[in-house]
Amino acid sequence: SQELEQSPQSLIVQEGKNLTINCTSSKTLYGLYWYKQKYGEGLIFLMMLQKGGEEKSHEKITAKLDEKKQQSSLHITASQPSHAGIYLCGAGRQGAQKLVFGQGTRLTINP
Amino acid sequence: DAGVIQSPRHEVTEMGQEVTLRCKPISGHNSLFWYRQTMMRGLELLIYFNNNVPIDDSGMPEDRFSAKMPNASFSTLKIQPSEPRDSAVYFCASSLEGSRDTQYFGPGTRLTVL
Repeated sequence: SQELEQSPQSLIVQEGKNLTINCTSSKTLYGLYWYKQKYGEGLIFLMMLQKGGEEKSHEKITAKLDEKKQQSSLHITASQPSHAGIYLCGAGRQGAQKLVFGQGTRLTINP
Repeated sequence: DAGVIQSPRHEVTEMGQEVTLRCKPISGHNSLFWYRQTMMRGLELLIYFNNNVPIDDSGMPEDRFSAKMPNASFSTLKIQPSEPRDSAVYFCASSLEGSRDTQYFGPGTRLTVL
């Protein structure tokens, strides 16, 4: 099983609708990172969350960290075609010098 | 500012051939990471360098894989001999200091081994 589970695995929404992607960890989180990837391209850094209860926003994307539940959510308001892509969460682990990543959520925005 | 640069962007080779992937990290970044992405296994860390020294290579699949960082501005990932199961997208990323700092990814090298 994955250390980081993302849900849903894929999501199709109508343009203008809101949506939420979740990332749940089976282990204690030491930093949570959200990235976006378009096909054939690298990962684009979106946001980093470090403290429980922390919430960050960039344009229409908001990410929250619930340390007790060991999960993070990414919320997009009034989705646009430019939001389409694969969203990945990555997490640090205590004592480990690396990040682990979820499998990704593929987001499609229908006009 | 230039981001992480990787070359080649695409590589098609035959089984048994040697493959070398190249990466130039962002100037001033002390940490460099090589990842592999496949549909089955997702994004996996292969090896991580800090100040040109390999810190964690536990993700390197087997002896056929080797990575070097001769200086702060260049790293290579070599596969010899290559096998079809090595087909994947290989990403290089860099950060200012360590794995907890934000990692910035290159565009990746799509490797196909026939």
